[in-house]
Amino acid sequence: DADVTQTPRNRITKTGKRIMLECSQTKGHDRMYWYRQDPGLGLRLIYYSFDVKDINKGEISDGYSVSRQAQAKFSLSLESAIPNQTALYFCATSSPSSTDTQYFGPGTRLTVL
Amino acid sequence: QKEVEQDPGPLSVPEGAIVSLNCTYSNSAFQYFMWYRQYSRKGPELLMYTYSSGNKEDGRFTAQVDKSSKYISLFIRDSQPSDSATYLCAMSGGPNSNYQLIWGAGTKLIIKP
Repeated sequence: DADVTQTPRNRITKTGKRIMLECSQTKGHDRMYWYRQDPGLGLRLIYYSFDVKDINKGEISDGYSVSRQAQAKFSLSLESAIPNQTALYFCATSSPSSTDTQYFGPGTRLTVL
Repeated sequence: QKEVEQDPGPLSVPEGAIVSLNCTYSNSAFQYFMWYRQYSRKGPELLMYTYSSGNKEDGRFTAQVDKSSKYISLFIRDSQPSDSATYLCAMSGGPNSNYQLIWGAGTKLIIKP
């Protein structure tokens, strides 16, 4: 089984709809992240959480919200989706250490029409 | 200007060639340098990790960091078609920046059989 899973893997929705992307991990890591990836822009950090009670905005948090339901679960919501939120979304986890290597899920491809 | 610049490619080379992938950066506080590999429809995975300046070798892969020039490189020897992927550089200032990673846009590499 994959260590970091994301659901759904693909989603097509309409402008104005509320969307939730879910991430679960079995790595036992405290730190979790949400990124979006756009062609030519690389990965941009949306939100990150260092534990259940510690949630922080990243570079591009406007239009997004998150919930850390448990150590293993971190959800990303788009309250009212817009077309420029069409992107590939990745969840990642890491454990505090000298390297802080991040481990990524398989991604969710979101299309907002 | 982005903090981390990376040529998006695509870079197409014949099998067996030596490949050089590069990133430049502007923040002199970066101490940790990483290369991630991302296959199509997959999440990025850590390939190489280097702390501060110097070289690190792992099989056919060599990571090089030149902090004086703010320049990092990844060399792939005896390239194989299975090396075809997008390569992303990432870097952080370590504990002083909460290990937040700043990403390059990624270079798409194509190895032709």
